[in-house]
Amino acid sequence: GNSVTQMEGPVTLSEEAFLTINCTYTATGYPSLFWYVQYPGEGLQLLLKATKADDKGSNKGFEATYRKETTSFHLEKGSVQVSDSAVYFCALSENNFNKFYFGSGTKLNVKP
Amino acid sequence: KAGVTQTPRYLIKTRGQQVTLSCSPISGHRSVSWYQQTPGQGLQFLFEYFSETQRNKGNFPGRFSGRQFSNSRSEMNVSTLELGDSALYLCASSRTGQMDEKLFFGSGTQLSVL
Repeated sequence: GNSVTQMEGPVTLSEEAFLTINCTYTATGYPSLFWYVQYPGEGLQLLLKATKADDKGSNKGFEATYRKETTSFHLEKGSVQVSDSAVYFCALSENNFNKFYFGSGTKLNVKP
Repeated sequence: KAGVTQTPRYLIKTRGQQVTLSCSPISGHRSVSWYQQTPGQGLQFLFEYFSETQRNKGNFPGRFSGRQFSNSRSEMNVSTLELGDSALYLCASSRTGQMDEKLFFGSGTQLSVL
């Protein structure tokens, strides 16, 4: 079946530090991969996505590369800001009418 | 452009009761999906509706049901509430439900079952 595993949090970093949040997946077919972000008191927002192997998704300084050989989609940012503090969710979908499989979420705390 | 609106924002119920949650999608969006978010299980897909038809369903018991109206607004109902149903219920909408579309989430309804 389909599943997503991401590193447990919370992750605490100082401002301007490098961020990596690991995500690996299991899928029966050829999924698209996503990172969503949830700020306190808000719904999820799409951060970036990649639809096929070797694609790189990027947005707001965040990047993730779809690695089929390692079934991974790790999220990276070179220099985090306090405003990046949120919960980050890795997810996959196999084009099945908005049926996403989400990881458990990783809370990021960025300290000034 | 208004976002996805969910009402109510908070609900407190007791075991055995039933509850109805409402979701108004973004104007022009006809696909509405529902997710349950809990600290232990994360986000889990409940079901998706398009043009008043349920097209996809997750692995939840029959106590969880939903419907969609002709104006695309959707409701979900949980009957015979259990303590384990306490969760944040998120609604999401997109134009047609195809994967290359952006999915927009509401802020959720926080349900507490006592």
